[in-house]
Amino acid sequence: KAGVTQTPRYLIKTRGQQVTLSCSPISGHRSVSWYQQTPGQGLQFLFEYFSETQRNKGNFPGRFSGRQFSNSRSEMNVSTLELGDSALYLCASTLLGSGELFFGEGSRLTVL
Amino acid sequence: GENVEQHPSTLSVQEGDSAVIKCTYSDSASNYFPWYKQELGKRPQLIIDIRSNVGEKKDQRIAVTLNKTAKHFSLHITETQPEDSAVYFCAASIVVNSGYALNFGKGTSLLVTP
Repeated sequence: KAGVTQTPRYLIKTRGQQVTLSCSPISGHRSVSWYQQTPGQGLQFLFEYFSETQRNKGNFPGRFSGRQFSNSRSEMNVSTLELGDSALYLCASTLLGSGELFFGEGSRLTVL
Repeated sequence: GENVEQHPSTLSVQEGDSAVIKCTYSDSASNYFPWYKQELGKRPQLIIDIRSNVGEKKDQRIAVTLNKTAKHFSLHITETQPEDSAVYFCAASIVVNSGYALNFGKGTSLLVTP
């Protein structure tokens, strides 16, 4: 079974731009969540989607948004990028009820 | 928001010694407590987990204990090896508006020296 796939793996943007990151979950996993990882803050929860609906959202500004498609693939978008948005963005999928999150390799965003 | 506190932030042990990492959580509704290992440049991967109806769980050299009353849980690694060197994250489950997420600690960087 293929794991969680994230694209792109690396990207560099400048302040004020926007970025879209993509995540394909493990086949059969309908819950997809996103986390921001930075050296000082660890892994911080962004949002979770299930059946194309955002069920849960972390404490991030409205510049961070996401969506999920009918095939469970998910995208997240960050608008008006700030230097502090530089981070590794991890997507994770889970089988409902299992609890275990399966992470992708992440998308490393650098904002200059 | 609800927090998971993790200590220590760094831990250095000699090969063969034991390592213990401790976490506390605040959400009394949390019922699932996984531990993830993240090697440099790689994704976090689950190494062991425990549910709230269990006090202890072992898997070869690693074990996790949970004290629900005190709201703390710990990871124990015995007979450490250099390949155990990594960052370890504890987490506690949270459910908000029927959505599921994990609240992570800030991580412990474990270094096992030969």
